[in-house]
Formats: sequence, structure tokens, C-alpha cells
Amino acid sequence: SQQGEEDPQALSIQEGENATMNCSYKTSINNLQWYRQNSGRGLVHLILIRSNEREKHSGRLRVTLDTSKKSSSLLITASRAADTASYFCATVYNNNDMRFGAGTRLTVKP
Amino acid sequence: KAGVTQTPRYLIKTRGQQVTLSCSPISGHRSVSWYQQTPGQGLQFLFEYFSETQRNKGNFPGRFSGRQFSNSRSEMNVSTLELGDSALYLCASSLGPDMWGNTIYFGEGSWLTVV
Repeated sequence: SQQGEEDPQALSIQEGENATMNCSYKTSINNLQWYRQNSGRGLVHLILIRSNEREKHSGRLRVTLDTSKKSSSLLITASRAADTASYFCATVYNNNDMRFGAGTRLTVKP
Repeated sequence: KAGVTQTPRYLIKTRGQQVTLSCSPISGHRSVSWYQQTPGQGLQFLFEYFSETQRNKGNFPGRFSGRQFSNSRSEMNVSTLELGDSALYLCASSLGPDMWGNTIYFGEGSWLTVV
């Protein structure tokens, strides 16, 4: 079963625009991770943010975590056509289980 | 360094058969985990191994099993296949032992179609 819920389910933007995806979860977590998946391929790890962290950056990616609201957001700045993919959040809780959200399908138009 | 390798990439099986999927982790990685991805249920955790021991298991029936060898390679087996087992099966590895506390690396997956 899934724990994280991403929204929106689908997002379509123009190259150069920013893309924001959100993830909500239900129980206390150890950490939250964001992944990218190109169609039919494996997942690529983007960022891991621990429960005691509030924000992390990696290149054009910015992730925030609000444990009081049980939510996280992934911001991709200055998007490129190559960013077109599905993005998933995954929550780890009790250090022994990982749950994925349903994903956000991002389309970046050139 | 080679990435996580999964074989076979594509396979078709008949209902009632069994299937074995293989995963070779990144060299030096000792933690291996498996996931099932379907359009209906999304990505779901199957099980996780470290040093040949299954440490965690997701909510799947006993038809789904796995094992890890001394060289960290892992296999998963699904017996008595059902149509609903059609999915992309993903394997991931991590340096371990904290499987999900650090970056995990996914393979390209094995596409299983049950007819």
C-alpha cells in the first residue's frame, strides 16, 4: 500500500519554468526521498531529506520537509525538456519499510 | 563501476508457472531490496536482504520469495503466477547496512507479463 500522495498527478510546463511537486504522508518518518523515473526505466535517486532537516538543495533541485504538516515539496528550477519524467516521493518509517507515492508525471515542453 | 544489473529484462509467463528474477548489486553493496511496480498499485516494497538475511518484508503473499547469496547477488521467485503479477520488478542496492538511510541505486527492472 502507498503512504505518500503526490500532487499534482500530472504537470505540464514550458522549458525554463519552475516545477513544484508536493508529497504528503500519514505517519512519522525517518526520512523522505525523491526519485525520478523515465518511462519504463528504473528509478534514479534525487535527494534524501531526514526528518530533522527542513530543506536540501542539489543543483536545480530544492526539497523542503514540513514534519508538522507531514508534507514535502520538490522544486525543479529552470526546467528542461530532459526533466520530463515521473517523480516519486518515498517515505521510510520504522527504519524497515519504504512506501512510495503514486507519482507526479511532469512534462516539460521545449 | 557497473550499476545494478537485472536479468532478464523482459519475459512472458503463463498463469500457474513460476519465475525467477536475478539482481546483481553494485560491487561492494551488501543490501538489496526488491519492488513491484504496477499501474494499479504503483510502487510497492517486496523485501530487503543484507548479508544473505531477509531483514524486512512487504505485504505480499507467500508466493513471493527471495534470497541473497554470499556474493550479494539476489534472486526473487514468484510461484503460481497470476495475471495480476504482471509488473515491472525493480531491484535496488545500497552500501548498507542502513538500506534506506543512504542513497539506493535501482536497476532498470525486469518486465514480467503473465498471460
